[in-house]
Amino acid sequence: GESVGLHLPTLSVQEGDNSIINCAYSNSASDYFIWYKQESGKGPQFIIDIRSNMDKRQGQRVTVLLNKTVKHLSLQIAATQPGDSAVYFCAEKKRDTGRRALTFGSGTRLQVQP
Amino acid sequence: SAVISQKPSRDICQRGTSLTIQCQVDSQVTMMFWYRQQPGQSLTLIATANQGSEATYESGFVIDKFPISRPNLTFSTLTVSNMSPEDSSIYLCSARQEDNSPLHFGNGTRLTVT
Repeated sequence: GESVGLHLPTLSVQEGDNSIINCAYSNSASDYFIWYKQESGKGPQFIIDIRSNMDKRQGQRVTVLLNKTVKHLSLQIAATQPGDSAVYFCAEKKRDTGRRALTFGSGTRLQVQP
Repeated sequence: SAVISQKPSRDICQRGTSLTIQCQVDSQVTMMFWYRQQPGQSLTLIATANQGSEATYESGFVIDKFPISRPNLTFSTLTVSNMSPEDSSIYLCSARQEDNSPLHFGNGTRLTVT
């Protein structure tokens, strides 16, 4: 079946360290990937996205890496801060089949220890 | 990016009643979607709200249970009909301007059915 899943349900890091959140996807027809951050009581907040014709994209303190060979997506957060504590979701969109919505992974909780 | 407002933000409803959730976007958007999120879990797509036509529902969701309206490019409603405790969840409205662009979310409606 098709799925977007995460390797680790909870990730605990020390403040100032770098964080890496991983995501595996099985749908080779996906052409767009996106990472979201969700804080308690709020909707998912866009962090960074990447199209399937790219391997890497950088934002402010965040980097997304896409490895299409092994169908793997990762989010790297540099110098993790307490405000980064949240649940992180990866999501994918299939290449145009008429379904334009995103399919979400199961989520990873990031806990930043002071 | 689009700002999405949902109301109510939360409600407690009795079994057998119905609740209509409103979603307002601050700019015209081409695509709007409704998701459901069980506490501590990922997001599941309910349907795509199509402007001027019937919504497109995902497997497991039907129009009689979750009627959706989208009268224009900035507004949509989702009704949860004949509610049961199993409908207790967070319902999220989302919107995007074009394919392969970020999907933005409201803060959700937390529904509890007693």
